[in-house]
Amino acid sequence: QQQVKQSPQSLIVQKGGISIINCAYENTAFDYFPWYQQFPGKGPALLIAIRPDVSEKKEGRFTISFNKSAKQFSLHIMDSQPGDSATYFCAASPTRSGAGSYQLTFGKGTKLSVIP
Amino acid sequence: DTGVSQDPRHKITKRGQNVTFRCDPISEHNRLYWYRQTLGQGPEFLTYFQNEAQLEKSRLLSDRFSAERPKGSFSTLEIQRTEQGDSAMYLCASSPTGNNYGYTFGSGTRLTVV
Repeated sequence: QQQVKQSPQSLIVQKGGISIINCAYENTAFDYFPWYQQFPGKGPALLIAIRPDVSEKKEGRFTISFNKSAKQFSLHIMDSQPGDSATYFCAASPTRSGAGSYQLTFGKGTKLSVIP
Repeated sequence: DTGVSQDPRHKITKRGQNVTFRCDPISEHNRLYWYRQTLGQGPEFLTYFQNEAQLEKSRLLSDRFSAERPKGSFSTLEIQRTEQGDSAMYLCASSPTGNNYGYTFGSGTRLTVV
């Protein structure tokens, strides 16, 4: 059972364009939603994260939009650059104490290619 | 370098052999995690330590897998009697106590079982 569904699987964007990646979750106990960026041969690196008490969080060119009622969240990369070309993973976890409270459940990833 | 360090970076082994990986977390981080990532997939949780105590284990962690974190410092992940299906990237991450946000991953150990 896949608890976090991510789309699209791959994305090609022109330099300067907006990249949008979407995720949906099922487990209502999830209350922490990070996005990770992974380059080939490297481990995932935390990009930005959101808690469900806010609907949007922005850090530089990266914005998370969160819709609690729809159980969906998305990553927007503004002014996309060739250096942003990487695989992006959404993830989710519960943070209240109890079983699974420190386990991240990841989506399957989106390979982003930003072309000049 | 204050990041999470994993050793070795790559390991090729024959089916049936035992392998052991090491992870050195960020020194002030109490929590340590092991994940497995196969090609084209997101990382999957294997196990979690708080200090030296192993608090959670995934059903993915069969009895051929064992993880330890002696003295709450570095951790080892051992796979006995390796199978081709064990081929994957094994990722270690750490985070400080009280901060569920601060997951820092290492660069992983890529295991190939031939």
